[in-house]
Amino acid sequence: QQQVKQSPQSLIVQKGGISIINCAYENTAFDYFPWYQQFPGKGPALLIAIRPDVSEKKEGRFTISFNKSAKQFSLHIMDSQPGDSATYFCAASWGRYQKVTFGTGTKLQVIP
Amino acid sequence: EAQVTQNPRYLITVTGKKLTVTCSQNMNHEYMSWYRQDPGLGLRQIYYSMNVEVTDKGDVPEGYKVSRKEKRNFPLILESPSPNQTSLYFCASRGLGQGANIQYFGAGTRLSVL
Repeated sequence: QQQVKQSPQSLIVQKGGISIINCAYENTAFDYFPWYQQFPGKGPALLIAIRPDVSEKKEGRFTISFNKSAKQFSLHIMDSQPGDSATYFCAASWGRYQKVTFGTGTKLQVIP
Repeated sequence: EAQVTQNPRYLITVTGKKLTVTCSQNMNHEYMSWYRQDPGLGLRQIYYSMNVEVTDKGDVPEGYKVSRKEKRNFPLILESPSPNQTSLYFCASRGLGQGANIQYFGAGTRLSVL
């Protein structure tokens, strides 16, 4: 119930291409869906987030698409760059104190 | 600069030798937590603290202890480390009011237990 399932585990994309990472959840109490980006040797950092009352949020080349009825959300990275190579975690949180659960992570490699 | 600071960054130890990983934040956050990151398993919460002297178990608390005597510090204690605790550990903090959704992570502590 508290799980967030993330796929794929790894992804290789050519420079300029679109990277897509998918997540699915079961718990309808989740009310906040962030994506974190982690570079090697660093801690995760918030990249972009969405609430379930909107279907899409865009920040620069990064877009979250949210499908409430299917209980799925995805991260799209347009015009992917080698500097986007990192591990990406989706997450979901709920409740008064915003308890969070993370997906298993996707290692993205953007090749020139 | 807003920071979560963990020490040490790297640690090699032997089975059974008690160790402590320190964590400190300078954002006056109420909520602090510890995660471990393992390949294919993502980030799993070990313990969390809602405020001074208030701590609770996360998803994988076995073999770990924490304390929260001051708001800024949240050390992770392994009283008798075992090889299955070899992992990458992250401390994180956030507020409880507006902005509670944004977690700030430390740079990580890579622990090897031989």
